[in-house]
Amino acid sequence: DIQMTQSPSSLSASVGDRVTITCRASQTITNYVNWYQQKPGKAPKLLIYAASNLQSGVASRFSGTGSGTVFTLTISSLQAEDFATYYCQQSYGDPTFGQGTKVEIK
Amino acid sequence: EVQLVESGGGLVQVGGSLRLSCSASGFSLDSFAMHWVRQAPGKGLQYVSAISINGGSTYYADSVKGRFTISRDNSKNALYLQMTSLRAEDTAVYYCVKESILVVPAASYWYFDLWGRGTLVTVSS
Repeated sequence: DIQMTQSPSSLSASVGDRVTITCRASQTITNYVNWYQQKPGKAPKLLIYAASNLQSGVASRFSGTGSGTVFTLTISSLQAEDFATYYCQQSYGDPTFGQGTKVEIK
Repeated sequence: EVQLVESGGGLVQVGGSLRLSCSASGFSLDSFAMHWVRQAPGKGLQYVSAISINGGSTYYADSVKGRFTISRDNSKNALYLQMTSLRAEDTAVYYCVKESILVVPAASYWYFDLWGRGTLVTVSS
């Protein structure tokens, strides 16, 4: 199985901060990466697909980049509603998720 | 409203069985591959199973292979997960998930664009 390793596992940030989450794949997966946001008690929500495509209805402060084995999700200016856990997921092979990155209020 | 609604979760003893259902509304399931993803309490997301549009092809994670069976009834706009020989480690919220695909020259990318609210399965000893 392809392993997806996210870093950091958690971070504290303030409203307005620029936040970057990294996901590393155990082998090259070109750009077969998706990103999801999950708030407590809620289902995950798709943010980015195919590494850099913004899902319809998702705020433009979210962006994704990367190719090969290293991928990033960036929130350009953190808003109160963005405090959540974020997961990467690869769709190159049998699907696997990263372990999650919890974004907390500083 | 476009949504997926799971049902059938509950408390079951180790070794028992349970059947989860997922009902789609606002769209027709028969154009999409469907999946189940689970999340143990306080843990991350774990992929469980997939089924093709016509039900002819299925996939299972190693952890559930031989114990879980995914199926669908497109005439009822429904997805199912039959779970047998349940273990304590199967305790989780189970999400029904719709797949979408982006097709570009020389590649196609699939992703999970609609999730149900989930149904909790608790396996106790």
